[in-house]
Amino acid sequence: DAGVIQSPRHEVTEMGQEVTLRCKPISGHNSLFWYRQTMMRGLELLIYFNNNVPIDDSGMPEDRFSAKMPNASFSTLKIQPSEPRDSAVYFCASSLMGSGEQFFGPGTRLTVL
Amino acid sequence: DAKTTQPPSMDCAEGRAANLPCNHSTISGNEYVYWYRQIHSQGPQYIIHGLKNNETNEMASLIITEDRKSSTLILPHATLRDTAVYYCIVRAPNSGYSTLTFGKGTMLLVSP
Repeated sequence: DAGVIQSPRHEVTEMGQEVTLRCKPISGHNSLFWYRQTMMRGLELLIYFNNNVPIDDSGMPEDRFSAKMPNASFSTLKIQPSEPRDSAVYFCASSLMGSGEQFFGPGTRLTVL
Repeated sequence: DAKTTQPPSMDCAEGRAANLPCNHSTISGNEYVYWYRQIHSQGPQYIIHGLKNNETNEMASLIITEDRKSSTLILPHATLRDTAVYYCIVRAPNSGYSTLTFGKGTMLLVSP
């Protein structure tokens, strides 16, 4: 099993540009989570999906952030337009629905200049 | 979900047992205690979880006090690779609508 796959692993972009982060969950998992980690705020849940349906997006910082899950094997987190304060490591995790055992990907380190 | 309190850092000598404490005095009767760890530059990794009984797996042991207000994660023979931030999390019963809330955790440094 390849685990949760995230791409890209590193992204450097300029303020105002659109950024798209991608995630492939573990096959068979039906819950998917997007987290953001910074030194100041720690690890924060942004949004999560059950069976491809967004359940709670209260952690999404503002309208510049959006997430989609068009099918069970793919999700995206988009930031448009990006700002320097969006610089962070973004993690995707997946699990069986109802389980507290989440499997995290390696993360995407985003730097917005 | 109940809040947890952990020491910010701990040290442990390689080969010795690492005992990481966690207070969760407001835990509800049906909430589980989960432990995760995060090695530098990696995503968090699930370790173990329990409700009221002690639990053991290949990674660690979890000891929950009888009143369930605190717990201890035990790494029986710590190695250098166990250096990581350890998170204690209290989570509502298995539900598709229950999530994990990560606090600051305990930074465990295992030294030779």
